[in-house]
Amino acid sequence: EIAMTQSPDTLSVSPGERATLSCRASQSLSSNLAWYQQKSGQAPRLLIYGVSIRATGISARFSGSGSGTEFTLTISSLQSADVAVYYCQQYNNWPGTFGQGTKVEIK
Amino acid sequence: QVQLQESGPGLVKPSDTLSLTCAVSGYYISSSNWWGWIRQPPGKGLEWIGYIYYTGSSNYNPSLQRRVTMSVDTSKNQFSLKLSSVTAVDTAVYYCARISNAGVLVDLWGQGTLVTVSS
Repeated sequence: EIAMTQSPDTLSVSPGERATLSCRASQSLSSNLAWYQQKSGQAPRLLIYGVSIRATGISARFSGSGSGTEFTLTISSLQSADVAVYYCQQYNNWPGTFGQGTKVEIK
Repeated sequence: QVQLQESGPGLVKPSDTLSLTCAVSGYYISSSNWWGWIRQPPGKGLEWIGYIYYTGSSNYNPSLQRRVTMSVDTSKNQFSLKLSSVTAVDTAVYYCARISNAGVLVDLWGQGTLVTVSS
């Protein structure tokens, strides 16, 4: 089973500033990496798949990058609506595994 | 608008079987997608349970495989989860999901339902 590790656990960012979230896999994933956003009390929502492909309806403020075992989700200009926990998920091997999440808050 | 809605008991006794159903609306379950279940213990992260195709082909998480059964009812446009011999560690929000054609990731989630295992 592939282990996914996210950092940091909590990220405090001022409105309008950039937020950078990291995700590391225990083995190479090719391009099989997705990101989800989960707001408090809600189901997760798909943001990014294939490392860098935005899902339907997702703002261009969200972008993904990386390769191999190191991946990044960037929120270019943080808004209050972006307060949430963000999870990465590998789907290179079954079972797909999630990171523990990064909580993004407003500074 | 495609929607997924979980239903089932919110409280299950230890050693019993947890049973949930996911009703799909606005989309045929027999379309070219797989359908899955993910769970999230309170305050914790996400775990895949498994996924199933409308033909009945399925794939379960090895950690749960001995206890999991999934099924599909195309006439009702819904799919189901059974998890046997539950214990307190199975207490979680259970989400049903549509799996993307890009791989085993979720492109549409149900709202989730909390199942508590307690006597």
